[in-house]
Amino acid sequence: AQRVTQPEKLLSVFKGAPVELKCNYSYSGSPELFWYVQYSRQRLQLLLRHISRESIKGFTADLNKGETSFHLKKPFAQEEDSAMYYCALSGNNFNKFYFGSGTKLNVKP
Amino acid sequence: DTEVTQTPKHLVMGMTNKKSLKCEQHMGHRAMYWYKQKAKKPPELMFVYSYEKLSINESVPSRFSPECPNSSLLNLHLHALQPEDSALYLCASSQEDGSIYGYTFGSGTRLTVV
Repeated sequence: AQRVTQPEKLLSVFKGAPVELKCNYSYSGSPELFWYVQYSRQRLQLLLRHISRESIKGFTADLNKGETSFHLKKPFAQEEDSAMYYCALSGNNFNKFYFGSGTKLNVKP
Repeated sequence: DTEVTQTPKHLVMGMTNKKSLKCEQHMGHRAMYWYKQKAKKPPELMFVYSYEKLSINESVPSRFSPECPNSSLLNLHLHALQPEDSALYLCASSQEDGSIYGYTFGSGTRLTVV
C-alpha cells in the first residue's frame, strides 16, 4: 500500500529563516514524488517533481530512497511562501495519486 | 490554454436536487480526475477517466455519477446528496503518463448541501 506522511500540521518560521517541510513515504515499488502548494483561496498547484530535480521559487526537494523521504527545503523563507503544502506520490498505477495530510507553513514578518 | 476550468465555482443544493459539476481542459490531456477535498484535509480521489473511459472508482456512492462526453470535458452528476457531501470538488487532468508530469488542478467547485 502507498502512504505519504507529513508529520507537521503547522510550521511557523520567521522571514529569512530556513524552512524544511518533512515528507516520508512508504511504497513497494519506484514512486514518483511531488510537492503541491495551495495558497489561500487559490487552486492546488504543482510546485516540484522529483524527476525534474528543479528549484522553483527557491524551493528544492531531494528524494532519499534510503530514508524514504522527500523533504521540501528553502534556505530563506519569504512571507509569500505562507500556504498549505502537500506531498504527493504516484506509483506503478500511473493514474492513482496519493496526498499527504498537508503542512501549513506560516512565515512571520 | 494551460488551465483546467471548473463551473460553477459555488453551488448550494438541497438533498432532493439534481445538479452537475463541469470540468474542461484543452491541453490534450487524456486522463481526467475528480477529487473531493474537505476543509483542512488533503484531496481524496473519487474517479479517474483515462481516454474517456472510467478506469478507477474509489468506492464512491452512486449518488455521484461521473461522465466523460469527450476528451476535453468531465462532468459529475449529483443526486440526492447528503449534508456531509459538502466539500470542495476538484477536477484535474494529466498527460497519459500522469506519474511523471503530475496533475493540473482546477480551482474547484465549492458545494454546500442543505
